Amino acid sequence: EVQLVESGGGLVQPGGSLRLSCAASGFTFSSHWMHWVRQAPGKGLVWVSRINSDGTGTHYADSVKGRFTISRDNAKNTLYLQMNSLRGEDTAVYHCARGGSGRTWGLFDPWGQGTLVTVSS
Amino acid sequence: QTVVTQEPSCSVSPGGTVTLTCGLSSGSVSTSYYPSWYQQTPGQVPRTLIYSTNTRSSGVPDRISGSILGNKAALTITGAQADDESDYYCVLYMGNGIWVFGGGTKLTVL
Repeated sequence: EVQLVESGGGLVQPGGSLRLSCAASGFTFSSHWMHWVRQAPGKGLVWVSRINSDGTGTHYADSVKGRFTISRDNAKNTLYLQMNSLRGEDTAVYHCARGGSGRTWGLFDPWGQGTLVTVSS
Repeated sequence: QTVVTQEPSCSVSPGGTVTLTCGLSSGSVSTSYYPSWYQQTPGQVPRTLIYSTNTRSSGVPDRISGSILGNKAALTITGAQADDESDYYCVLYMGNGIWVFGGGTKLTVL
């Protein structure tokens, strides 16, 4: 079964840092691009970042550029999101999602259940 | 920054047909944006419906379809059912490794 499981969320003060993890199983992790997508409480989905299959290419939404860093460890089948200088508006459930390629370009599937990040003093 | 636009809300009668759209604040959506569509009910993980404009994800019934209508991507649901009542999100590829989700459409079946 293809599965993504996030961890690492929690309560952090404004200006603080947090590292999220996404453990992948059931597929060849090293062959797929991966994304982080977040959803603030009661709000819509927002794309945050993506990384290519070997970790050499990354992109970010303007709202997190310079503060967040996406990375991966293909030996551990794990995706990461290092979040620094956190703000209240970063409060959200953070989902990882497998990206498509070739004929499935643009596909986000599957999605993990998400991990809640709350930024508050 | 370009905004991806969706109707905030929409309604359809049971058995009826509804089309949700996904546009750009500036410009037209084409297949080059690889539009995909996701359904989400409260507290649940998004479910993939359509990717690459019109390819159904595994298990999605053929009463749900994707297309380009005019200058927007479109998701059409025919024979609407009660369990179609959900939030629907589109996402577009903007190039240079950037994707942008629309704000979502809340679909009511009544």
